[in-house]
Amino acid sequence: GEQVEQLPSILRVQERSSASINCTYENSASNYFPWYKQEPGENPKLIIDIRSNMERKQIQGLIVLLDKKAKRFSLHITDTQPADSAMYFCAASRGSGYNKLTFGKGTVLLVSP
Amino acid sequence: EAAVTQSPRNKVTVTGGNVTLSCRQTNSHNYMYWYRQDTGHGLRLIHYSYGAGNLQIGDVPDGYKATRTTQEDFFLLLELASPSQTSLYFCATSPGNNQAPLFGEGTRLSVL
Repeated sequence: GEQVEQLPSILRVQERSSASINCTYENSASNYFPWYKQEPGENPKLIIDIRSNMERKQIQGLIVLLDKKAKRFSLHITDTQPADSAMYFCAASRGSGYNKLTFGKGTVLLVSP
Repeated sequence: EAAVTQSPRNKVTVTGGNVTLSCRQTNSHNYMYWYRQDTGHGLRLIHYSYGAGNLQIGDVPDGYKATRTTQEDFFLLLELASPSQTSLYFCATSPGNNQAPLFGEGTRLSVL
């Protein structure tokens, strides 16, 4: 089946440093890559996404990079705060037009003061 | 405000029991999805639908049935629940065109 590998599974950083999460995908036809943040006891919430016609997207302190050749995309959180501590999921579409996503297994980000 | 409402929020049943999880949306989205979330596995797609009366099989469908009775309502049925189905279940909706799903609040199911 289609896989999305997400690393690391746990990431510990100091407040105000940067955090990076990396994902790789298998299907060269994948064209949509959302990122979700899930806080304890809550549902996953979309924080940023990127489509295959872009290589970089930034929303405030969140940066997503997409390397289609390497089938790799990444989330970078700059100037982390304790409130950024959460589970983060990457996902990739199952090729264009299928409206299904394959999710990575998640990264627990811990930001210490 | 657009919403995805799941019920019940918590459910405990016994092995062999019959369980129905409900999801209702006010988004007017075409696509509705059922996922399960388990530690070490992330979010896995069980079933999904692109409209009333339509049903598509996801990646982990064994032991589950689903039914989309209306544009708004999507149900997940466990007719003979097993302990391996103990999980956190999320319903999600999407308008299609590869747009990110919007998740409901989740249902925690325990099968004893």
